[in-house]
Amino acid sequence: SAVISQKPSRDICQRGTSLTIQCQVDSQVTMMFWYRQQPGQSLTLIATANQGSEATYESGFVIDKFPISRPNLTFSTLTVSNMSPEDSSIYLCSVLSGTDFNQPQHFGDGTRLSIL
Amino acid sequence: GDSVTQMEGPVTLSEEAFLTINCTYTATGYPSLFWYVQYPGEGLQLLLKATKADDKGSNKGFEATYRKETTSFHLEKGSVQVSDSAVYFCALSGDTNAGKSTFGDGTTLTVKP
Repeated sequence: SAVISQKPSRDICQRGTSLTIQCQVDSQVTMMFWYRQQPGQSLTLIATANQGSEATYESGFVIDKFPISRPNLTFSTLTVSNMSPEDSSIYLCSVLSGTDFNQPQHFGDGTRLSIL
Repeated sequence: GDSVTQMEGPVTLSEEAFLTINCTYTATGYPSLFWYVQYPGEGLQLLLKATKADDKGSNKGFEATYRKETTSFHLEKGSVQVSDSAVYFCALSGDTNAGKSTFGDGTTLTVKP
């Protein structure tokens, strides 16, 4: 299964700043996803990162706030822009290999973000 | 749209107790069903899966059976250990959602010695 490296693992940021989170996979994958997990809650899908084109955002998430890049089949970044305390969350990258949508996703260890 | 409903938590058990975490789903088509586990400070890991009706997924003493008639995928373990303390997520995925998974709210399990 794919091995996913997510950086940074945690950070403490000042409000109004931006942070870029990186997700590196050790093999080419079909799909890459970004989730937010607020304290004690389930996962909320932010967007699907599309290789070579704009990400597909879920309802309630916009590109200006969460710009995403995916330059190739093994790497993606998520930027959390103009951060406020409400953005304090765990941000998770996950991937899906192949074209069988009945397979499980593989997750990185997440980025724990606190905004002061 | 698709949805997954997990029993409300948290769940606290003594070591060696029997565990059941209920999960029911609604979905179009014939999804695959998963249980993921999240240990403190980590991402989600696949615990077990089932891809069709009546399949039983099993791993590390945990089991779950895909019940199409009751649209359920309950997680069970006969004897829990302290090391099983974690958050457990039920999820589904299939061809109708372009690879995106639907997750339940998660159930926090604490096992006391």
